[in-house]
Amino acid sequence: NAGVTQTPKFQVLKTGQSMTLQCAQDMNHNSMYWYRQDPGMGLRLIYYSASEGTTDKGEVPNGYNVSRLNKREFSLRLESAAPSQTSVYFCASSDGAEAFFGQGTRLTVV
Amino acid sequence: GENVEQHPSTLSVQEGDSAVIKCTYSDSASNYFPWYKQELGKGPQLIIDIRSNVGEKKDQRIAVTLNKTAKHFSLHITETQPEDSAVYFCAASSWYDYKLSFGAGTTVTVRA
Repeated sequence: NAGVTQTPKFQVLKTGQSMTLQCAQDMNHNSMYWYRQDPGMGLRLIYYSASEGTTDKGEVPNGYNVSRLNKREFSLRLESAAPSQTSVYFCASSDGAEAFFGQGTRLTVV
Repeated sequence: GENVEQHPSTLSVQEGDSAVIKCTYSDSASNYFPWYKQELGKGPQLIIDIRSNVGEKKDQRIAVTLNKTAKHFSLHITETQPEDSAVYFCAASSWYDYKLSFGAGTTVTVRA
């Protein structure tokens, strides 16, 4: 079982470039999440999707957009990357309680 | 929104000793409190969780306690082993949206 799969694992962007982080889950979960992890700050919620067709802002949504493409896939887009978006990004899915996390995408914006 | 505070930020213990990590939360609507373990280069993984209708839960060497009145919960690891070295996160969420709010994390090092 793959669980939650994120691509890419590593990415370096120049300031102002755009990119999309991909996430797919094979557990038939309704809820999916995007978090960012920064040193000393834990994981902070960027966006979440309670079910296919719905998305809501989390704690730190500025500079990001999301798309819940179908039940399996939830993508995160950076339209114009900034150095402050250098972070490790985690996608997660949930059946209502326990959240399962992907391996993360380490993004550096120079 | 929910605010979760976690202490200590780092913890070094001798192999075989116990480790305790404490968290407090602010939102009285929170009723689900999981603990995650994150190893280097990996995503967080659930190790134990507790709901607000339970005061304590154990799973082998790990246990979690919850004090709803004081809004704090703790993780206890007994007989620590080198493989317990990792970053541990507490979190809280409510039954109606399950959006997890995380503490800042505790880096646990078990000395052989």
